[in-house]
Amino acid sequence: GESVGLHLPTLSVQEGDNSIINCAYSNSASDYFIWYKQESGKGPQFIIDIRSNMDKRQGQRVTVLLNKTVKHLSLQIAATQPGDSAVYFCAEKGTGTASKLTFGTGTRLQVTL
Amino acid sequence: ETGVTQTPRHLVMGMTNKKSLKCEQHLGHNAMYWYKQSAKKPLELMFVYNFKEQTENNSVPSRFSPECPNSSHLFLHLHTLQPEDSALYLCASSQMTRTSGPDTQYFGPGTRLTVL
Repeated sequence: GESVGLHLPTLSVQEGDNSIINCAYSNSASDYFIWYKQESGKGPQFIIDIRSNMDKRQGQRVTVLLNKTVKHLSLQIAATQPGDSAVYFCAEKGTGTASKLTFGTGTRLQVTL
Repeated sequence: ETGVTQTPRHLVMGMTNKKSLKCEQHLGHNAMYWYKQSAKKPLELMFVYNFKEQTENNSVPSRFSPECPNSSHLFLHLHTLQPEDSALYLCASSQMTRTSGPDTQYFGPGTRLTVL
């Protein structure tokens, strides 16, 4: 069946450095991908999304890269700040009106001073 | 702050209690969702309501009963739960179109449920 997985459960990054969080997906028919950030005690917060007809999309300090050839998604955070510490997870949606979002288990980003 | 609110934020209940979780969205969306989030597990979709009709029930035990009186409100009624039901219950909403399906889901802060 389809699955969404994350390569690293925990990522430790020094403040000011760039962070890269990776996500692999197995459904080649997926056409929509989302990155969420979840801080302790809060619900998941939408960060950025990308559709399968794109390979890169930029937001404020964040960039999502999509490589459909190897079914890989990454989230890059520039100049990581302490407030970026959270669990990040990706979600993917297949084609069709009945398709649901499938979520990964998440990567914890720890920002060290 | 997102446009999705949930109450209560924390709930402790015994196995014989009956309680309800409430979710309200202020985003004008037409689809609402209940998810269960347990430690070290992906989000588990429980129920989906599109245009106020339940369209998804992911083999959820009958001790969980959803109710969607209108497109802005969603409830989850709880009855005779088990300790393994302790988790964070998240509500989400999105705009659903009949041609392309669901768009980005926006989540509430969740209700932390503990079943004793």
